[in-house]
Amino acid sequence: NAGVTQTPKFQVLKTGQSMTLQCAQDMNHEYMSWYRQDPGMGLRLIHYSVGAGITDQGEVPNGYNVSRSTTEDFPLRLLSAAPSQTSVYFCASSSVAGGGDEQFFGPGTRLTVL
Amino acid sequence: GENVEQHPSTLSVQEGDSAVIKCTYSDSASNYFPWYKQELGKGPQLIIDIRSNVGEKKDQRIAVTLNKTAKHFSLHITETQPEDSAVYFCAATDNAGKSTFGDGTTLTVKP
Repeated sequence: NAGVTQTPKFQVLKTGQSMTLQCAQDMNHEYMSWYRQDPGMGLRLIHYSVGAGITDQGEVPNGYNVSRSTTEDFPLRLLSAAPSQTSVYFCASSSVAGGGDEQFFGPGTRLTVL
Repeated sequence: GENVEQHPSTLSVQEGDSAVIKCTYSDSASNYFPWYKQELGKGPQLIIDIRSNVGEKKDQRIAVTLNKTAKHFSLHITETQPEDSAVYFCAATDNAGKSTFGDGTTLTVKP
């Protein structure tokens, strides 16, 4: 199993540009989530999904969109990039087992917005 | 919403000593408490977890304790080794699997 994969690993954008961060998992997990990690801070939840076709907002959703058309994929879209979105982005998946379960994290995407 | 506080933010110990990291949470509905280790340039990886119906769990040199009444849980690492040096995160998770993370503890183990 490849686990959770993320592409790209690094990305530089100009203010106002849009892009999609890709995330895929091959563990047949129902639950997937996107976090951002800023220096000296923990992971903050952006959006999450409990299954195909179902998404919900996390703690910091503004400026980001998600969709979940398949169990495997959970892309994160930046609509109009801003410098405040410079961060490291992690995708994670887990099998929700009535009370939470281990999350498997991808390697991250380091995004810089100029 | 849930609020998780983690202390200390940095911790330096001598090889062989013990390390303790503490977290408090605010939402009594949280019922799953994982601890993750993050090495430089990588994603977090689970090292131990505990559910709300258990008070303590141990896995070799690592243990976690949970006090539901006081809403706090702690990570204990004994006989620390240089390879334990990393950033450690606690989290509190609700029934939907939604996790709130602490801000992390940078552990340095000096040889």
